[in-house]
This record gives sequence, structure tokens and C-alpha cells, in this order.
Amino acid sequence: KAGVTQTPRYLIKTRGQQVTLSCSPISGHRSVSWYQQTPGQGLQFLFEYFSETQRNKGNFPGRFSGRQFSNSRSEMNVSTLELGDSALYLCASTPPTGATDTQYFGPGTRLTVL
Amino acid sequence: GQQVMQIPQYQHVQEGEDFTTYCNSSTTLSNIQWYKQRPGGHPVFLIQLVKSGEVKKQKRLTFQFGEAKKNSSLHITATQTTDVGTYFCAGRNFNKFYFGSGTKLNVKP
Repeated sequence: KAGVTQTPRYLIKTRGQQVTLSCSPISGHRSVSWYQQTPGQGLQFLFEYFSETQRNKGNFPGRFSGRQFSNSRSEMNVSTLELGDSALYLCASTPPTGATDTQYFGPGTRLTVL
Repeated sequence: GQQVMQIPQYQHVQEGEDFTTYCNSSTTLSNIQWYKQRPGGHPVFLIQLVKSGEVKKQKRLTFQFGEAKKNSSLHITATQTTDVGTYFCAGRNFNKFYFGSGTKLNVKP
């Protein structure tokens, strides 16, 4: 099976702009989670989607939003970018069985805000 | 609020030495997972522990889940340069998933 894919891999934006990142989970996985990783803050949970519904949300401002489509692909959007939004954004998908929380991570999108 | 702390933050060892990282949660976890992230890479799942007091081994790696399901440890015996990376614990408390701050391991040949 193909792994989790994320596009684009690298992105450079300026303050005030908005950005949309895309994540395609492993085939058959219906749960997708998003994380922000920075050197100082580690892995911070953004949100989790399951069957097109947001199931959980982390403590991020409303500028961060996401959605999931019927094919389980997910997008996250950050509006009015700030310098502090520069980070590696990771997407992870989880198998459909309830016995495991194993998260399979994509390679990430490295966002730089200038 | 919920916190998952890991210590140490950094560890430098000589190849062949042992290494241990500890994970502590402020609340009981339903499970604990461990991930490894190589430099420039993404987190990769290593193992999941579910039962109180559970111990699992993967070759030179030993994972433990505490009796109270609030702490866990990862021990590597006789480290190798291929063990370099950041090790994260992660656990679920009800609906939310929390990652520890990670322990960055450097192994000197």
C-alpha cells in the first residue's frame, strides 16, 4: 500500500497570506490527524477528522481550519499567516480497526513564513 | 490540562552504551505508543502498550507501561549509530491524543 502523502512538500509564504495543505491517507484509513512540529514546541495536535467530521481539535486559533472529503483526503488551511506559523505540518492516518491507535505519518509540509 | 512530559530532552551516548527515555502523563492513559523520528524525517510507529505493567521487547529495545498507566519508558541496550533520532511517546486520554516532548538521542561512534 502507498503511504500517507502530503503536498506540497515545501512552501514559502509571506505574512498575511493564506495557505492550504493537502493530505492523502493510506487507502482504507478514514481517520486523519494534523500536527504542527516546531523545534521549540515539539508535536502539537491540530485536529482530527473521521468520516468528514472533525472529531477532535487542539488549542490553536481559528486561523487554523481543516476539512475532510468523502474519499478521506484532508486539507488544512491557515489564514493570515504569522511568522510563528513556520513549522513542519504533519498529517497522520489511522487504520479503521478499533484495536490500535497507530498513526502513520506522511513526510510533512515544511512551511516557511517570511 | 493534559500533559505528557519526556525526560531527558537530549541524550548523548557512546556507541555501545545503554539509553533510556521516560514518559510521564498527568492523567491516566488508555494506551501509550512510541515513535522514532530520524533527522529530517517523520515520526515512525515503533510499538503500542495497552495493559497496566506491560513490557514488550523489540530486539535491543524494551518498552514498559507503568502500573498506573501514567508513565512509560523506552530502554535501548548497546546503542548503535542507527539509533540516532528523536523518540516520542504518545498516549490517548479519552478522545485526545497527546505527544510527549521527545528525547533526542545522539550516538557517537
